Amino acid sequence: AQKVTQTQTSISVVEKTTVTMDCVYETRDSSYFLFWYKQTASGEIVFLIRQDSYKKENATVGHYSLNFQKPKSSIGLIITATQIEDSAVYFCAMREAYQGGRALIFGTGTTVSVSP
Amino acid sequence: DPKIIQKPKYLVAVTGSEKILICEQYLGHNAMYWYRQSAKKPLEFMFSYSYQKLMDNQTASSRFQPQSSKKNHLDLQITALKPDDSATYFCASSQGTGIFAETLYFGSGTRLTVL
Repeated sequence: AQKVTQTQTSISVVEKTTVTMDCVYETRDSSYFLFWYKQTASGEIVFLIRQDSYKKENATVGHYSLNFQKPKSSIGLIITATQIEDSAVYFCAMREAYQGGRALIFGTGTTVSVSP
Repeated sequence: DPKIIQKPKYLVAVTGSEKILICEQYLGHNAMYWYRQSAKKPLEFMFSYSYQKLMDNQTASSRFQPQSSKKNHLDLQITALKPDDSATYFCASSQGTGIFAETLYFGSGTRLTVL
C-alpha cells in the first residue's frame, strides 16, 4: 500500500533564507506522481508543484523546487528566498499510476514559520 | 473568484442528525473528490467521482453518501452524525482521473462540528 511520511513536524526560518523539508514515500507501483501542497492559516489548500516519477529533472516553479531522489524514495521541497507569507503547513502527497486507485494520499504535514 | 465553492463554511450539528455539504466547481473538471481533515489524522481521502460516477470509496461507513446531480456538483450527505465526524471536509476537483494523474485543486472546506 502506498504511504507518505513527513518526519519534520515544524521548521522555523528567517525571512529571505532557504528552507528544505523532507518527504519519504512507499509504493510498489512503477509509475507514480508526487505533489506538494500548502495549507495557509485560513485553511486554504494550494497546489504548489509536482514531480512525475518518470522525469529525471527536478521540477521548479517560482521559488519552489524539488529534490527528487528516486532510489531513496524521497521528494524534498526547497523554498528559496522565503517570505513571511510562506508560513504555512506543507503537505507532501502521492498518487500511484496503476495501483491504489485514484486517491491522492497525503503526509501529515510540516509547519513552516518564517520570521522577520 | 473561488473556482470551487463549498457551502456552508461552518456547520454545527447535533448527534444523530443529518447534514448535506455542498460542493460546486467551475473549473470545467470531470473528476471530483471529498477529503476529510481532523486534528487526529492528516488529509484523508474519502471518495472520488468521474463523470458523475463513483470511482473510489475509502470511507468505511455508509453514513457518508456522495451525491452528484450535475457534473460540476458533488455534495456529501452525512447521516446519523457522531461527534467523531467533527472535521473539516474538503472538496477537490481535477481535469480527469487518468493515469497521468491530474493535479487536484481544493475548495476552502466546510468545518463541521457535531455536538
